[in-house]
Amino acid sequence: QKEVEQDPGPLSVPEGAIVSLNCTYSNSAFQYFMWYRQYSRKGPELLMYTYSSGNKEDGRFTAQVDKSSKYISLFIRDSQPSDSATYLCAMKGTNAGKSTFGDGTTLTVKP
Amino acid sequence: GAGVSQSPSNKVTEKGKDVELRCDPISGHTALYWYRQSLGQGLEFLIYFQGNSAPDKSGLPSDRFSAERTGGSVSTLTIQRTQQEDSAVYLCASSDSGGNTEAFFGQGTRLTVV
Repeated sequence: QKEVEQDPGPLSVPEGAIVSLNCTYSNSAFQYFMWYRQYSRKGPELLMYTYSSGNKEDGRFTAQVDKSSKYISLFIRDSQPSDSATYLCAMKGTNAGKSTFGDGTTLTVKP
Repeated sequence: GAGVSQSPSNKVTEKGKDVELRCDPISGHTALYWYRQSLGQGLEFLIYFQGNSAPDKSGLPSDRFSAERTGGSVSTLTIQRTQQEDSAVYLCASSDSGGNTEAFFGQGTRLTVV
């Protein structure tokens, strides 16, 4: 079993929809939780990162971390065609250089 | 430079040859990471540098893989005697001393071993 499991998708939604992307994990030592967006043939782009539990909002994006359930989510409001990409969750412990990534969820937002 | 730069963008090599992949991090960034990504997969950690030291090299898959960083800046990932299973996109990321995330990724080097 992988340390980080990500809903595989693919996910297709109409423009303007609310999108929910999710990951679960098994390692209770994880303290930093990240979401990356990756366009085809590009490097990942850091969207959000959260330390420990709680919510964080940035524009149309909200990241949630529930450490008691070992579950993290990224919500995208008012989704746009430009949000079409693969979204990767990642997490790490407090002193670890290494991050553990999910396999990604591919999102398509249709105009 | 404005971002993390990796070269070459693409590399096709014959099985058994050695390859060198280069990463130029953002100026002043002390942390540097190497990952690789196979088709349709997430990122697999290879090695982490803090300055010129590598406190975590646990992800290097075999002794055919090595990496160094000089002057706290440029890093080179070397793969000796390449195998077909080494084919992947190799990604480099950097962050500053206060960061706890892989803040900025390069565009990657797409390695194909034939």
